[in-house]
Amino acid sequence: AQSVTQPDIHITVSEGASLELRCNYSYGATPYLFWYVQSPGQGLQLLLKYFSGDTLVQGIKGFEAEFKRSQSSFNLRKPSVHWSDAAEYFCAVGATNTGFQKLVFGTGTRLLVSP
Amino acid sequence: EPEVTQTPSHQVTQMGQEVILRCVPISNHLYFYWYRQILGQKVEFLVSFYNNEISEKSEIFDDQFSVERPDGSNFTLKIRSTKLEDSAMYFCASSYGTGLEKLFFGSGTQLSVL
Repeated sequence: AQSVTQPDIHITVSEGASLELRCNYSYGATPYLFWYVQSPGQGLQLLLKYFSGDTLVQGIKGFEAEFKRSQSSFNLRKPSVHWSDAAEYFCAVGATNTGFQKLVFGTGTRLLVSP
Repeated sequence: EPEVTQTPSHQVTQMGQEVILRCVPISNHLYFYWYRQILGQKVEFLVSFYNNEISEKSEIFDDQFSVERPDGSNFTLKIRSTKLEDSAMYFCASSYGTGLEKLFFGSGTQLSVL
């Protein structure tokens, strides 16, 4: 069965510093991979996705992620974090059962940004 | 940008009571979903709905749960007899097609069962 692991529950980064959030997945075929962000009181917003092609994908708000098949990873990065980036980040893999697609999420990483 | 709206944002209920969570998907979307997140755990798929019937459901979605699209605009999740372990954030989502790349989520309803 498909699964996603986000090993870091909390991460604290200084404003202006770089960020990397880790995500590992388990999926037999070529995965569809996603990063979502949830700010307090908000829904899940799609940051970026990987379906095929270039393994480095660009997303909104200056985020990028790199798909590494050999490591089963899809880590999220940002070169310079802003205080408004403080939120919960979820990695997800698209799973197809019975021909119908659904998302399998990781447990999330809470990002705290210090001044 | 169009959005999926969920009401209420918070709901408190007593164990054993019925609860209905409401969602208004984006107007031209055809596929509807419920996910939930128990505090500290993963966001989990519950059910998908298309053409007025359930397309797929997870093991969590037992006989206590039902979904309905009563009037062409609302999409509801009913829990018949709530249990303590139903306390969670429930997310509604919708999409035009089955592709996950155009899935829009609502802001969630926090359900607390006492």
